[in-house]
Amino acid sequence: EPEVTQTPSHQVTQMGQEVILRCVPISNHLYFYWYRQILGQKVEFLVSFYNNEISEKSEIFDDQFSVERPDGSNFTLKIRSTKLEDSAMYFCASRYPTSGLTDTQYFGPGTRLTVL
Amino acid sequence: SQQGEEDPQALSIQEGENATMNCSYKTSINNLQWYRQNSGRGLVHLILIRSNEREKHSGRLRVTLDTSKKSSSLLITASRAADTASYFCATEDNYGQNFVFGPGTRLSVLP
Repeated sequence: EPEVTQTPSHQVTQMGQEVILRCVPISNHLYFYWYRQILGQKVEFLVSFYNNEISEKSEIFDDQFSVERPDGSNFTLKIRSTKLEDSAMYFCASRYPTSGLTDTQYFGPGTRLTVL
Repeated sequence: SQQGEEDPQALSIQEGENATMNCSYKTSINNLQWYRQNSGRGLVHLILIRSNEREKHSGRLRVTLDTSKKSSSLLITASRAADTASYFCATEDNYGQNFVFGPGTRLSVLP
């Protein structure tokens, strides 16, 4: 069964450094998402992406964050200057809407980002 | 903004017992989904129920949706130790945006 993949599984970085988290959504999906989950807390929506542009973003997704679909398969989340509070698990998700209705979002396994 | 809220926050049961988790939300939705997350791992989709559905089954899982009460329940029957995980409900609004997770219920199934 097709699945969403994410790399790396764990990223450790120094505060102020830039990180790029990578995701390969399911190949025929059209909508892409990033979420984060701070340890012990709930999953929070960051951004959704459709037709090569951001369709929705949350308050968390400030100017330090950017997303890109550089080619036909990858979907990336960049954090320009990481802060300690960016330490979290980051999940990518994708979906293919059917018959004009929303459908299941399929989640990747996550990338654990640790900012030191 | 809409928000899923699960209760209880934590649930501990014996293997073989049934586990029931509830989710409430605030605004109109297109669908509601339940996910499982093993400690420190990724999210696994369990079941999706649309706003025009009242009940769905998948194996040992039974999900109900009451849109008049803006609530859903997830029932796991004949629980196993491997069911130990956190369970999240997530709601999606009518525009396919605003996919919002609740804080989750931590289920512990004791052998």
